[in-house]
Formats: sequence, structure tokens, C-alpha cells
Amino acid sequence: EIVMTQSPATLSVSPGERATLSCRASQSVSSNLAWYQQKPGQAPRLLIYGASTRATGIPARFSGSGSGTEFTLTISSLQSEDFAVYYCQQYNNWPPKYTFGQGTKLEIK
Amino acid sequence: QVQLQESGPGLVKPSQTLSLTCTVSGGSISSGSYYWSWIRQPAGKGLEWIGRIYTSGSTNYNPSLKSRVTISVDTSKNQFSLKLSSVTAADTAVYYCARDVYDILTGYYLDYWGQGTLVTVSS
Repeated sequence: EIVMTQSPATLSVSPGERATLSCRASQSVSSNLAWYQQKPGQAPRLLIYGASTRATGIPARFSGSGSGTEFTLTISSLQSEDFAVYYCQQYNNWPPKYTFGQGTKLEIK
Repeated sequence: QVQLQESGPGLVKPSQTLSLTCTVSGGSISSGSYYWSWIRQPAGKGLEWIGRIYTSGSTNYNPSLKSRVTISVDTSKNQFSLKLSSVTAADTAVYYCARDVYDILTGYYLDYWGQGTLVTVSS
């Protein structure tokens, strides 16, 4: 079973600065990785799929990169609405199963 | 725009069966090549995928929950449903339904989510 590990658990960044979040897979997932943003009391929102493709309506300040086992979500200039929890996700073909990372909380410094 | 809405009892007694329904609007549940998934999140914790169904009725379940989960679909009502049997306090969580997309280049991901519904297991 593939395990997804996100780091750091909490990231403190000032508005306007860049944030870099990491996700590591225990074995290669190729480019089959997605990122989600979740704000308190809300459902997760798809940001990135295929490791680097922005979902519909996602601002260009969000970008994803990586392949294989190492992935990064970068937010180029943090806005107040970006402070949230971010999850990475991959899908196992066998046994069929979605696996999420434990999340990174992005907080205001 | 596709919208999903969960519904069902917010309180379930231990050992009983949790039953939730997800109603899809803004498009037919049968159109396109989509699976439809259930995910849950205990308070203050991360996301756990429960399982999914294709409109043909084909299902995949999380191995850790497989013995207790049944997911079904009613295309005439544009709904899919979750049943989780023999619940305990550990099953207390917000339950989400979501549309499950596959692309050969980008893999599987969940693009539309319901707002979630809190289910508490307590006597």
C-alpha cells in the first residue's frame, strides 16, 4: 500500500510571501497526484490534478510540480483566503483505493 | 455546474447501520465516465476514502472498511447511497460524497464534492 507523507505539518507564512508544501509517496505514483484545499467547515476543493494541472477556476498563483515520489504545491504570493489545510492524494490501482496525505496546515505568520 | 448534496440521519446508535444518500444535480449521474465516491473525516483529522460506485453498479471499497460498506446507485433518482453497518463511535465523522474522475494522463481525482454531513454514533 502506498503511503503519502506531507511536510511540514504546519507552515507559517506571511501574506504576500511564497509557500511551498511537500508530499512524498512511499513508491512511485507517476504523475497521478492531486492537491486539495480545505477551509474550516467546508468540503475539500480540488486545486491540482495530474501533479501540475490546475483545476477549473483555480488562480495561477497555485502551481504543482513533481513526479514519481516527490511532489510540491507552491502558492506564489499568499492571499488571506489561502490560509487553510492542504491535502495531497493519490490512487492505488490495486487494491483500488484513494490515499490522502495527513495534511499541511498553512497559517498566517 | 454539478452539485452534490448528502442527506441522512445525523445520529446513529452503536451497532446499527449508517445510511446516507447523495443527490446529484446539474447533470445526469449516468452521463460521462465517472465514478461516485464517499469520503469521511473525523473531527480534526484527515480524509479517509470509503468507496465508490460506477453507474453500471461496479464498486470499489477501502479494504479497511470493506466488510461493513455497501454503496449503491439509483440512476432514476440521480442518487447514490452509502450503508455502513455495525457502527461504533470511531465512525463518527463528516461524510462527503464526491464525483470521481479518471483521465489516462492525469489519473484519478475528486473534482466535485458535497458540503458534507456530520454523523454522530452515540446511544
